[in-house]
Amino acid sequence: KAGVTQTPRYLIKTRGQQVTLSCSPISGHRSVSWYQQTPGQGLQFLFEYFSETQRNKGNFPGRFSGRQFSNSRSEMNVSTLELGDSALYLCASSLGSAQETQYFGPGTRLLVL
Amino acid sequence: QKEVEQNSGPLSVPEGAIASLNCTYSDRGSQSFFWYRQYSGKSPELIMFIYSNGDKEDGRFTAQLNKASQYVSLLIRDSQPSDSATYLCAVNRGSGYALNFGKGTSLLVTP
Repeated sequence: KAGVTQTPRYLIKTRGQQVTLSCSPISGHRSVSWYQQTPGQGLQFLFEYFSETQRNKGNFPGRFSGRQFSNSRSEMNVSTLELGDSALYLCASSLGSAQETQYFGPGTRLLVL
Repeated sequence: QKEVEQNSGPLSVPEGAIASLNCTYSDRGSQSFFWYRQYSGKSPELIMFIYSNGDKEDGRFTAQLNKASQYVSLLIRDSQPSDSATYLCAVNRGSGYALNFGKGTSLLVTP
C-alpha cells in the first residue's frame, strides 16, 4: 500500500504571500491531520479532517485553514505568510476509528523570507 | 503545564546497551499511547502503540504503560547506532481527539 504523500516537498515564499499544501492519505484512510513542526515548539496540531468535516482544530490563527475532499485528499492553506510560519508541515492519515494510529507523510518544508 | 512531557536529552548509550525513554502525560482521559522515531530532516515514523497497562514487546522494542502513574516508556534493547534519532511520545484521548506530542528525546547510540 502506498504511504502518505505530500506536495510540494519544499517551498520558498515571501512574507504576505499565501501557500497551499496538499496531502494524499493512505488508501482507505478517512482521517487527515495536519501538524506544524518547528525546533522551538515541536509538533503542534493544526487541524483534523474526517469525511470532509473538520473534526478538531488546534490553537492557530485563522490564517491557517484546510479542507478535505470526497476522496480524502486534503489541502491546507496559509494566508498572509509571516516569517514565523517557516516550518515543516506534516500530514498524517488514519482510519479515523477509535484508538487510531496515525501515519505521517514526508512533510513539506516551508521557508518564508 | 505541558500535556506530554519528555526529557529532551540527549540520552547517550553505548552500542548494545538498553536505552530507556520516558514520557509523562497530564490528561487522565488518555486512551492511546504512541512512540514515533524521527531522524533528522525526516518525518516521524511509528514504532509502537500501546493501549493497556503493562508491557508490549515488538522485537528490540518494549513499550510500558502505567495509567495510574500517567507514565509511558520505551525500552530499546541491544541499541544500535542506527537507533540514534529523536523519539516522540504521543498521547490521544480517542477517536476525534487530537494527538498530543511531547517535544521528543534525542537518543545517541555510540559505537
